[in-house]
Amino acid sequence: AQKVTQAQTEISVVEKEDVTLDCVYETRDTTYYLFWYKQPPSGELVFLIRRNSFDEQNEISGRYSWNFQKSTSSFNFTITASQVVDSAVYFCALSGRGDDKIIFGKGTRLHILP
Amino acid sequence: DTAVSQTPKYLVTQMGNDKSIKCEQNLGHDTMYWYKQDSKKFLKIMFSYNNKELIINETVPNRFSPKSPDKAHLNLHINSLELGDSAVYFCASSPGTGGDTQYFGPGTRLTVL
Repeated sequence: AQKVTQAQTEISVVEKEDVTLDCVYETRDTTYYLFWYKQPPSGELVFLIRRNSFDEQNEISGRYSWNFQKSTSSFNFTITASQVVDSAVYFCALSGRGDDKIIFGKGTRLHILP
Repeated sequence: DTAVSQTPKYLVTQMGNDKSIKCEQNLGHDTMYWYKQDSKKFLKIMFSYNNKELIINETVPNRFSPKSPDKAHLNLHINSLELGDSAVYFCASSPGTGGDTQYFGPGTRLTVL
C-alpha cells in the first residue's frame, strides 16, 4: 500500500528564516512520482513540483528547493528566506506509474510571522 | 483562460436537498477527478473519469453520483444531503493517469444546514 507521511502538522517561523517541510513516503513500486502542492488561505490548490523516482537530482526554483532521497524515502521541501506570502498548507503526494490516483499526505500548515 | 473551473464556488443548502456541482477543464486533458477536503484539510479522492469512463470509484455513499457528458466536463450530483457532506469539493484534471500531474479547480465549499 502507498502512504505519504507529513509528520509536521504545523510550523511557525519568522519571516526571512529558512524552513524545511518533511515528507516521507512508502511504496512498493519501482517507478513512482512525487508531488508538492500549496494551498494558500484563499483555498485553491497550486501545483509546485513533480519528480519521478529515477531522477534524484535536487531541484531549485527561486526560493524553493526540493531534496529527493530514495535511500530514506523522503522528498523534503525547503523555503529559503521565507516570506509572509509563503503562509499556506503544503501537501506532499505520491502516485505509482500504474496508478490512476494520487495519494496525498495530511499536509503541513506553515505560518510565516512578520 | 481558466484551466479548471467549478461552479458554484459556494453552496449552502438544507439537509435532505439534492444539489449538483459542475466542473469544466479547457486543458484538453483526458482524465478528471473529484476530491473531498474535510475540515482537517485531508484530501481524499472520490471519483475519476478517463475519456468519459469511470476508472476510480472510492468508498463513497451512493448518494454521490458523478456524470461525465464529455471529457471536458465532470459533474457531481449529491442526493439527500447530510450534515457530514459539508466540505470543500475539488475537481481536478490530468493529461492521462499513472502519475501525471493533476491540476485543480478553485473548489466548491458546500455547507449543509
